[in-house]
This record gives sequence, structure tokens and C-alpha cells, in this order.
Amino acid sequence: EIVMTQSPATLSVSPGERATLSCRASQSVSSNLAWYQQKPGQAPRLLIYGASTRATGIPARFSGSGSGTEFTLTISSLQSEDFAVYYCQQYNNWPLTFGPGTKVDIK
Amino acid sequence: QITLKESGPTLVKPTQTLTLTCTFSGFSLSTSGVGVGWIRQPPGKALEWLALIYWDDDKRYSPSLKSRLTITKDTSKNQVVLTMTNMDPVDTATYYCAHKGNPWEVHFDYWGQGTLVTVSS
Repeated sequence: EIVMTQSPATLSVSPGERATLSCRASQSVSSNLAWYQQKPGQAPRLLIYGASTRATGIPARFSGSGSGTEFTLTISSLQSEDFAVYYCQQYNNWPLTFGPGTKVDIK
Repeated sequence: QITLKESGPTLVKPTQTLTLTCTFSGFSLSTSGVGVGWIRQPPGKALEWLALIYWDDDKRYSPSLKSRLTITKDTSKNQVVLTMTNMDPVDTATYYCAHKGNPWEVHFDYWGQGTLVTVSS
């Protein structure tokens, strides 16, 4: 099973600032990586797939990069609605696995 | 417009079998490349993938839970059913069903609202 780790666990950012979230896989997942955003009491929302392709309707301030074992989600200028928990998920191998999440909160 | 909704008991007793139904609209589970998955999330914890069924009835399960899970589909009713046997308090979680639309990749672009299942005597 591929183990996904995310850092930091919590990221405190001021509105308008840039946020950089990291995701690491225990072995290569190529570019088969997705990012999700989850707000309290809501289901996750797909942000990025293929490591760098934005899902339908996702604002351009969200961008993904990386391949192999190291991935990054960048939010270029945090808006109030972006404070949430972010999860990465690999789909290169079965079973599908998610990371533990990074909580982005207001500084 | 794709929508999914989970239904089932909110409370089950230890050792009982849980049956959850995902009723969806806006897509067909007979379309090539489409799938429906189940993911759960214990309170305050991370997401955990459970199972996935494809349009062609191919099924995938989490190895750690495989012996307890069964996923089936009823294409005519637009439903996917997940059963989990021998429920334990550690299985208390919000259970989500989700749509896999990309023919080549396994990520979930539409999710149900989730249903909280509590396991307690």
C-alpha cells in the first residue's frame, strides 16, 4: 500500500498571502495524484487531478505541481473561502490512499 | 447535473451488518469508464477509501476491509449498495459515495453529502 504524507499538518496564513502545501508518496505515483478541499460539515471537493490539472470550475489561484513522490498544491492568494482542510489522494496503485490532510487556517 | 445521495441507518449495533445505498442521477453506471466509490471519514479524521464499482461490474476493495465489504450496482435503479459486515465502534464514520467520471483515472469529481453512521450498543 502506498502511504501518503502531508505537511505541514496545519498552515496559518493571512488572507491574500500564498499558501504552499506538500504531499509525499512512499513510492512513485507518477502524476496520478488528486487534491481535494473539505470544509467543515461538507463533502470533499475535487480541486486538482493528474497532479496539475484543475477540475471544472476551480479558480486559477489553485495550482498543482510535482510528479513521482513529491507534490505541491499552491494557493496563490488566499481568499476567505479557502480556509479548509486539503487532502491528497494517489490513484496510481490499488488501494487508493489519501493523505492525512493539511488544515489551512487564518493567521 | 450529477448528484449522489447516501441513505441507510444512522445507528447500528456491534456485530451487525451495515447496508448503505447510494442513489444517483445525472449519469449512467452503464457508461464506459464510469464508476462509483465509497469513502468514509471517522469524526475528526482523514478520508479512507473503501470500495469502487465500475460500469462493467469490475469491483475493487480496500484490502484491509475486503473480507467485510460487498459493493453492488443496480443500473436500472441508478443505485450502488455497500454492505459491511461485523460492524465495530471503530467503524463509526461519515460514509460518502462519489462519482468517478474520468475513463483513465480514479479520482472523484462528485460526492454525496455523506451519512453519519454510529456503531454503538
